[in-house]
Amino acid sequence: QSVLTQPPSVSEAPRQRVTISCSGSSSNIGNNAVNWYQQLPGKAPKLLIYYDDLLPSGVSDRFSGSKSGTSASLAISGLQSEDEADYYCAAWDDRLNGGVFGGGTKLTVL
Amino acid sequence: EVQLLESGGGLVQPGGSLRLSCAASGFTFSSYAMSWVRQAPGKGLEWVSAISGSGGSTYYADSVKGRFTISRDNSKNTLYLQMNSLRAEDTAVYYCAKGGITMVQGVIMLDYWGQGTLVTVSS
Repeated sequence: QSVLTQPPSVSEAPRQRVTISCSGSSSNIGNNAVNWYQQLPGKAPKLLIYYDDLLPSGVSDRFSGSKSGTSASLAISGLQSEDEADYYCAAWDDRLNGGVFGGGTKLTVL
Repeated sequence: EVQLLESGGGLVQPGGSLRLSCAASGFTFSSYAMSWVRQAPGKGLEWVSAISGSGGSTYYADSVKGRFTISRDNSKNTLYLQMNSLRAEDTAVYYCAKGGITMVQGVIMLDYWGQGTLVTVSS
């Protein structure tokens, strides 16, 4: 059971918009920055969003992040087939004194 | 160009030891926290350990505390993970990743990753 809770899977049609939720607690999301990672099949993870809503250089602005209280969300607009991947949220946890990941969400582009 | 190259993975018996290395290049290694993250076959990501740029601060997941030791040699731009008392549940691909300048937030804000090295614990 992961400390951060994500839906196991989401699906949506091409060119549509999808959101992936990440639920935590006051010891992690509620008090620390949230980061999002994309992992394409067979590849290493890639930083997608950092400090809740910032995009690293080179990441498409079709990706956006938000946070409210102890929950965060990743939104992907204009879905493309190459967006099919696993997506993970992550944050520091003050109680565990370490990093924590969500269980991951598999995105299927129909 | 930032590059991270892990090595040292392999097959080890339960109770055995292994040391992973991660050779870094393309950035000022000593200025950044570094983390190890693992992924069991078919499973999600699990943060394992992190170390500050100077090496003076370290953090561990409860699942590895007391068995794994993270260290770094800034003169060699290399990160290490010494793994002792290995268990079947430690079987995973181990990634090293570059963190931020600061600890805590920087530990889990990982902007570059290596390709991973597979550790298999089995008799």
